[in-house]
Amino acid sequence: EAGVAQSPRYKIIEKRQSVAFWCNPISGHATLYWYQQILGQGPKLLIQFQNNGVVDDSQLPKDRFSAERLKGVDSTLKIQPAKLEDSAVYLCASSWSLSSYEQYFGPGTRLTVT
Amino acid sequence: EDKVVQSPLSLVVHEGDTVTLNCSYEVTNFRSLLWYKQEKKAPTFLFMLTSSGIEKKSGRLSSILDKKELSSILNITATQTGDSAIYLCAVVGGSQGNLIFGKGTKLSVKP
Repeated sequence: EAGVAQSPRYKIIEKRQSVAFWCNPISGHATLYWYQQILGQGPKLLIQFQNNGVVDDSQLPKDRFSAERLKGVDSTLKIQPAKLEDSAVYLCASSWSLSSYEQYFGPGTRLTVT
Repeated sequence: EDKVVQSPLSLVVHEGDTVTLNCSYEVTNFRSLLWYKQEKKAPTFLFMLTSSGIEKKSGRLSSILDKKELSSILNITATQTGDSAIYLCAVVGGSQGNLIFGKGTKLSVKP
């Protein structure tokens, strides 16, 4: 089966610019996650969707980050405006359901903010 | 605060060596513990351990969950250069039942 797809793979922007990342989960997976992984750290959950509804966005910096999953399939994560500390790898993951703990990760997007 | 701690943070071994990676956790509402291997960017799933499945084995890799000690180990026997990666431990728990990751152990296997 096809894995989790993400684009772009790399992005370099200047601070205060905006950027958007796209994720297409594994077909049939109802739950979708966005993680931020800073160099030397483990992934940190930003937001979790169940179909097109937000389950948990408690760690999402809502003043600059936003995410949507309008049709319950693919998702977009946006940062506006970007800060230097947003430089990280942004990982998307999906699972069959909320009670399915095994998550499958995409290749990630490496964001560099200069 | 929920936390997952891995040790060591980095490890260098030679091919053929056996390694043991450690993961300890303090997490409310523990449900399961997962191990992932991260080579480039995407973590790939290795094992999931729960109260009903505290030991898993796949080829040269094996893992044990000790719920009493709130810890887990990942063993890799007869290491190969292809085992070089970051190994992430994650625990499902907390108020939302999300994955809480440790910082990972960077394993380097020298020929």
